[in-house]
Amino acid sequence: NAGVTQTPKFRVLKTGQSMTLLCAQDMNHEYMYWYRQDPGMGLRLIHYSVGEGTTAKGEVPDGYNVSRLKKQNFLLGLESAAPSQTSVYFCASSYSMDREKNIQYFGAGTRLSVL
Amino acid sequence: RKEVEQDPGPFNVPEGATVAFNCTYSNSASQSFFWYRQDCRKEPKLLMSVYSSGNEDGRFTAQLNRASQYISLLIRDSKLSDSATYLCVVLRGYNKLIFGAGTRLAVHP
Repeated sequence: NAGVTQTPKFRVLKTGQSMTLLCAQDMNHEYMYWYRQDPGMGLRLIHYSVGEGTTAKGEVPDGYNVSRLKKQNFLLGLESAAPSQTSVYFCASSYSMDREKNIQYFGAGTRLSVL
Repeated sequence: RKEVEQDPGPFNVPEGATVAFNCTYSNSASQSFFWYRQDCRKEPKLLMSVYSSGNEDGRFTAQLNRASQYISLLIRDSKLSDSATYLCVVLRGYNKLIFGAGTRLAVHP
């Protein structure tokens, strides 16, 4: 009954360090997403993927890269972390992008602080 | 102006009260609408989809007014367990969900 699993749950980085956030889903979903959530703002889409081997930019892609080498995994990379990237990161997946069926299932989130 | 706007609250209500949340969206081409619930320091979870004719799920009723670009969520007979942040969500195009910042609800005994 895992659903969407994110690792790590917490991380503190120094400015300039790099890291990768891992998202894994066991629901055989085609579509996966990375969001960030900041106080007073809605979740904002960073990157998304419509299938294995494909990725696309979302609303706030700068400073992030992603890869979807396997259908069940979606990785989010920060090459050179900045304090502005301090946030809570959520991964999500969905079975369909059809209207009224785009129900997204979220992981528990990763709390990232960049000092 | 944000694409999806919500009153941030908090709404502080006693158990048993009826409470209504409103949401407006700016993109008239939006086709699908949802309410998600997010508990403190947890992930968002789908509460219900919103259909043009309005729909009900137990104590929860969602309404859509396309002409006014307005969505509402009504919670009847509030429970302590309803305390959470309620996110209004709009589907832009065919694949991008746009989230409101959320309305916080606190139900007290």
